[in-house]
Formats: sequence, structure tokens, C-alpha cells
Amino acid sequence: GAVVSQHPSWVICKSGTSVKIECRSLDFQATTMFWYRQFPKQSLMLMATSNEGSKATYEQGVEKDKFLINHASLTLSTLTVTSAHPEDSSFYICSASRSGTSGFNEQFFGPGTRLTVL
Amino acid sequence: DAKTTQPPSMDCAEGRAANLPCNHSTISGNEYVYWYRQIHSQGPQYIIHGLKNNETNEMASLIITEDRKSSTLILPHATLRDTAVYYCIVRGYNTNAGKSTFGDGTTLTVKP
Repeated sequence: GAVVSQHPSWVICKSGTSVKIECRSLDFQATTMFWYRQFPKQSLMLMATSNEGSKATYEQGVEKDKFLINHASLTLSTLTVTSAHPEDSSFYICSASRSGTSGFNEQFFGPGTRLTVL
Repeated sequence: DAKTTQPPSMDCAEGRAANLPCNHSTISGNEYVYWYRQIHSQGPQYIIHGLKNNETNEMASLIITEDRKSSTLILPHATLRDTAVYYCIVRGYNTNAGKSTFGDGTTLTVKP
């Protein structure tokens, strides 16, 4: 089956610093990846859609200058939380979309990255 | 994508079948029903999907009503490891490259 990894699995940083989270599709090429954020006891909230070789599409209310997304290759997308603050502490989850031969798009999720900003 | 409605929580006895309902009354003709689950502090795990026919795989069965306005996920013999939040999602076949919108899901607690 298709595997998506995230690195790091958890990170603690000081307020004001930037943190980069990597999302990799290990055994397939993903032209599209998605980034979600999940606060405690809440559902996943889509932050942005990341397309290889082009600018990411951000959902309403998500600051693109704060959450920088780069999708430089078909197997790697990165999310950088710039100038992180305690309110950015959350569980960040990526997913990668794999296109089947019939055009059907399957979505595979990474294990998530727990970010804690002190 | 169509909105879904699920009960916030359900309990199930270990070894018994867990039946999780989902209402998607505004589903359109080309939208599929997907089910994922999320065990605490992990990424969502795909369970099953279907269009209009009932589906079964090694994890679960999916029953979709004839009018497609609701569906039920069935875990035939629930175990303690099935305790998780279960999400029902509807989305098009290849719309938005698989972008999924998550609702609040159902927290299933399997009890010994």
C-alpha cells in the first residue's frame, strides 16, 4: 500500500522561531498534497492544497505568509510555520493524492506532526 | 463537497458488530462515500468507500441506502483496537485531486 511519512513526528520550539515539517510519499508520486491542522478534540481542518511545481492554494483564513508551503518534487512537500507562537501549537497532518489508472484519486495520510510552541 | 452528519459518540461491546451511521442527504450523483478513522494522535486511516452498491473489505462493510442519502459503516466484530474517531466524507470521483473535508466524526468506544 501507499505510505506517506512526516518528519519530525513531534517538535518543541520557542516562540518566534520557524519550524519546517516534511511530508513524503514513499512509494508513489503525488502531484497533489494537502496540509491539515487539528486542534485538541477537534476535527481536521484543511489548510492548503499543495501542487508540485506551483504555488499552494490556501483555504480561507489561513495566512499564506505564515504557513509557507513548498512542493518541489513529486514526493516531497514541506510546511514551514514562520515566527511560531503558542497558538500555532497543533497537530499537523499531510496527505498525498495518488492518481489511479482510471483517474480515481486516492488520498493517503501521514502520521502527523505534533508542534508545541513555548 | 456534500456535508455529512454523524452522531458524536457511540459505544460498542467487544466482539459485537459496530454500526456507525452517516447522513449525507445532499450528496450528488458523482460523489462517493468514504470512511476514515483516526486513532488518538495518529493520521487518518482509510477504511472503505463506495458509490451506490454495498462494499466489503477486510476491515469493514459499507451499506449505502438506495437513495444514497445515508450510509452505515459496519465493523463486524469490534475489538478494543477499533476505538477511534470515525469520519464519513463525501467527495467526487476525481474532484480536486482527492481533497477531503472532514466533519466532526463519531467517537467509537469499544468496551470489554
